[in-house]
Parts: sequence; C-alpha cells; structure tokens
Amino acid sequence: QITLKESGPTLVKPTQTLTLTCTFSGFSLSTAGVGVAWIRQPPGKALEWLAVTHWNDANHNTPSLKNRLTITKDTSKNQVVLTMTNMDPVDTATYFCAHRLVWMGLNYWGQGILVTVSS
Amino acid sequence: DIQMTQSPSTLSASVGDRVTITCRASQSIENWLAWYQQKPGKAPNVLIQKASSLESGVPSRFSGSGSGTEFTLSISSLQTDDIATYYCQQYHSYPWTFGQGTKVEIK
Repeated sequence: QITLKESGPTLVKPTQTLTLTCTFSGFSLSTAGVGVAWIRQPPGKALEWLAVTHWNDANHNTPSLKNRLTITKDTSKNQVVLTMTNMDPVDTATYFCAHRLVWMGLNYWGQGILVTVSS
Repeated sequence: DIQMTQSPSTLSASVGDRVTITCRASQSIENWLAWYQQKPGKAPNVLIQKASSLESGVPSRFSGSGSGTEFTLSISSLQTDDIATYYCQQYHSYPWTFGQGTKVEIK
C-alpha cells in the first residue's frame, strides 16, 4: 500500500525559507520508473505543479518560481524534501506531494499541508 | 509552457445526466493527459491516465477521450458522489501544467 505524508511548518514569515518533507511508504525511489512530485494549491484556486524527482536523479522544477525551489531525495529514509526560498504571502497554499510512474500521471497523493505566509 | 484550458468552469446538471468536460492544450501533448477529481478539503484523486485509461477502482461511468490538443472527460450518469472539481493535467513536457478546474454541481 502506497502512502505519502507531508510535514513541515504551517506558518512562515515573509522572506524565510520553507522546508517541506514528504515521507512515503510502499515504494522505493531507487526503483526504476518511480518519481515523487510536489504540487501546491492556493486557497480556492487551481493546482500548480512545482517540482519532481525521479529514481535516476532526473529533477525538474517549474521555471515560474525563478530558481527558488530545490528538490532532493533521501532514498534510505524514503523522503523527498522541497525547499522554497524567499517566501511571500502569495505562496500561501496547501502543498501536496504525489507518487508517479514514468509515462503516467500522479496516482497517489499525500493529504497535503497548509502553509501560511504571514508576518 | 503548455497552457491547459478547461471548459466550462462550472457545470450544473441533474442526477443521471451525461456530463462532459473539455480540456484543450495550447500545443500537441499526444495522449499524455490525466484527469483528477478533487473534493473539498481533500487531495486530488486520479481518474484517467494517458487520456483514456481508467484508473483501477474508478467507476466505469467515467471515461476519457482525445489526443493531440483536445480531450474530454465524460460522466455517463451523474451521481451525487461526483460533486467535485475536476482538473486535467498534461505530463507531455516540463513544466507540467493543470487546467483551471471545472466545478460540477447538482442542479
């Protein structure tokens, strides 16, 4: 059974760096074809893809966030970490991590974590 | 970036109606498209992958079709449990992009 869960701070101040951890079970990020992505959703708005990491270290980030994102994986701990620098109130959103297989969409999702950016 | 445009933004229909949601891509994405259902306060749930492949466990009243730039998600007989917002997503090329969502309501 595949599960994912996001953890991290729920409140950050403007200009701070956000670090979110996705801890998963039921699969390994060392297995060929496996990836873990981050997606966010501002309150009442649409989904936005942020970043993805794969078993072969192929990482991709959305260019819209102008190099503010870093995605890393710790295969031994079954974790994927997303770091977002220079947080702003417009970054207030629910952040999800999700599992995918190459050539497929996002088939398992975490419950999400609401992050509020406010001074 | 590939833009994904869904229509309509909101859809009101009666229980038992056939419902169709359209998703258009700004350039060809072949069949690299997924459809998700999201209920309030919950994470999205994948319904369809590769444009027309029904995910295991998803009711057969859901179906997907299309290729290239135009895609549809259909619900053959709308049920109250289908009240949700539906999103399309292309994974043909990075950055992956989602449509803006279609909210389905009961009339």
